[in-house]
Amino acid sequence: GEDVEQSLFLSVREGDSSVINCTYTDSSSTYLYWYKQEPGAGLQLLTYIFSNMDMKQDQRLTVLLNKKDKHLSLRIADTQTGDSAIYFCAETRYSSASKIIFGSGTRLSIRP
Amino acid sequence: GAGVSQSPSNKVTEKGKDVELRCDPISGHTALYWYRQSLGQGLEFLIYFQGNSAPDKSGLPSDRFSAERTGGSVSTLTIQRTQQEDSAVYLCASSLGLTGTVNTGELFFGEGSRLTVL
Repeated sequence: GEDVEQSLFLSVREGDSSVINCTYTDSSSTYLYWYKQEPGAGLQLLTYIFSNMDMKQDQRLTVLLNKKDKHLSLRIADTQTGDSAIYFCAETRYSSASKIIFGSGTRLSIRP
Repeated sequence: GAGVSQSPSNKVTEKGKDVELRCDPISGHTALYWYRQSLGQGLEFLIYFQGNSAPDKSGLPSDRFSAERTGGSVSTLTIQRTQQEDSAVYLCASSLGLTGTVNTGELFFGEGSRLTVL
């Protein structure tokens, strides 16, 4: 079955890098996503990666995918207070019949 | 340029009452999801509609929960005989689905309906 796991909390110092980790069980996963939920707001897509890639970089964000270990990570460089949020990992197969499954979310807090 | 609209935004009800939560997706989006987010918990998948296909109901926690999507657009999630453990934020999301080679399946979420069962 499908399962996506994340650690619940991460605390980093402002200006340091944050690394949020995620593991998934479905070896047929083809799209993997990171969503961000800011306090009092809805979820928004932050970035995504196809399963045929092992890295994707977008400004301060770097996504790493290890298909062998079914491990996905999100690195945020130079973490700022505005990065405080809950980050959700999600996965799906490439199929119109496949639902998108989310992890439990990692709450990122920034300390001065 | 309306996004996903959910109503009511807040609902307080007594244990044992039925509630209906409404979701109005983005026009043209064929896929519609319902998720539940409990305090301190992640997003729990409830049900998924894709076009005219039979919905994937595998996430509904009990037979007290049901959902329908009329005319491929608006969806209603119904919870019968509510229990205190049903208290949560119910999130609806829509997307273009995963058909086509350029579509990433990005979900667009509503603000959610916060349900409190006393």
